[in-house]
Amino acid sequence: SQQGEEDPQALSIQEGENATMNCSYKTSINNLQWYRQNSGRGLVHLILIRSNEREKHSGRLRVTLDTSKKSSSLLITASRAADTASYFCATDARGDDKIIFGKGTRLHILP
Amino acid sequence: EAQVTQNPRYLITVTGKKLTVTCSQNMNHEYMSWYRQDPGLGLRQIYYSMNVEVTDKGDVPEGYKVSRKEKRNFPLILESPSPNQTSLYFCASSFLGALTDTQYFGPGTRLTVL
Repeated sequence: SQQGEEDPQALSIQEGENATMNCSYKTSINNLQWYRQNSGRGLVHLILIRSNEREKHSGRLRVTLDTSKKSSSLLITASRAADTASYFCATDARGDDKIIFGKGTRLHILP
Repeated sequence: EAQVTQNPRYLITVTGKKLTVTCSQNMNHEYMSWYRQDPGLGLRQIYYSMNVEVTDKGDVPEGYKVSRKEKRNFPLILESPSPNQTSLYFCASSFLGALTDTQYFGPGTRLTVL
């Protein structure tokens, strides 16, 4: 069954605005990661957040994790054209070594 | 340069003709994994390996085989490909597990099975 589900499926914003994407999951997790994928290319790791963490920052990226709601959000501040990509969350399930990716959010930054 | 390489990058084949997609990493990573990506379905894990001679099924292992005879290589084998295996395939590696560490992805192999 799908563990991570991103929302929205697609998002278009003006350059300079902030972009927020959400990820919901079903079962308890150890860690959650966010990845970026430019069209047809390999995924690039953005940030890892552990289940005992609530917020992490990396440059213009801010990730939050709410384990009580089983959800995470990725905020990209001051968006740039180069941020146009698909963004995926990935989770595990406690006691399992498998990784489950969500279906992704397609982000389009308008000039 | 630290990287994950896959070959071939593009492949068109016919139903039933055995094929192998190679994956190699030069980072001395213990964990390696294969994924397929299909429109509307995201990435799904096929097989993963925690170390040499240790492999486990992911979410969609049917129709695939893997082997991990050496640390750097993790080939994906399709013994009898079928059209529903037409997809974009990614290999990835990390020092530890997929979610305890950063995964590095290869550039992808686009496979078409006629």
